[in-house]
Amino acid sequence: GAVVSQHPSWVICKSGTSVKIECRSLDFQATTMFWYRQFPKQSLMLMATSNEGSKATYEQGVEKDKFLINHASLTLSTLTVTSAHPEDSSFYICSARGLARGGLWNTEAFFGQGTRLTVV
Amino acid sequence: AQSVAQPEDQVNVAEGNPLTVKCTYSVSGNPYLFWYVQYPNRGLQFLLKYITGDNLVKGSYGFEAEFNKSQTSFHLKKPSALVSDSALYFCAVRPGSGNTGKLIFGQGTTLQVKP
Repeated sequence: GAVVSQHPSWVICKSGTSVKIECRSLDFQATTMFWYRQFPKQSLMLMATSNEGSKATYEQGVEKDKFLINHASLTLSTLTVTSAHPEDSSFYICSARGLARGGLWNTEAFFGQGTRLTVV
Repeated sequence: AQSVAQPEDQVNVAEGNPLTVKCTYSVSGNPYLFWYVQYPNRGLQFLLKYITGDNLVKGSYGFEAEFNKSQTSFHLKKPSALVSDSALYFCAVRPGSGNTGKLIFGQGTTLQVKP
């Protein structure tokens, strides 16, 4: 299957600072990327959907000024947690969907490894 | 409202025994159905999907799932469980209406396989 690489795997930052998480599709063009947040032993909560070259669409209750999403190319999307606070500590996962080799749409989304964010 | 339900928080099974992880859904249109597995502090790994065709789909690591339209279910099964199958399993649905690719996830089921 297609590969999605997420970086960093874990990060610890001080309260009030900003943290950037990268999500890269390594062998396909990710026209759409999704950012999820997952609390311990809970399901994934979709935060936003981003399409290459356009503004992200945020789910209800997700602060767009707090969680900045950029999808500037077909292989890279970034999530920046601005002015992080301890309550932002969580596991963040990206997934990507797009065109595989041969120009066919992937029917399934492929997930990054996740980023464990701890704000102290 | 569209939703996916995994009624069991945890499933315990002895190694070598068959396992079933349940999933039911309520979405519009003809949905795409997926199963993913997650190991601790890792992202989700794709196991299998149902798009159309044969109701029994086979996936990775010996897993299979049966789509039942009348019962709106997509239960995950494996004939003989391994200890290494112990993980968190998510059922996900992509509604048939629209093509945003957005997935709706179930709550997740922890599978514990004991030796």
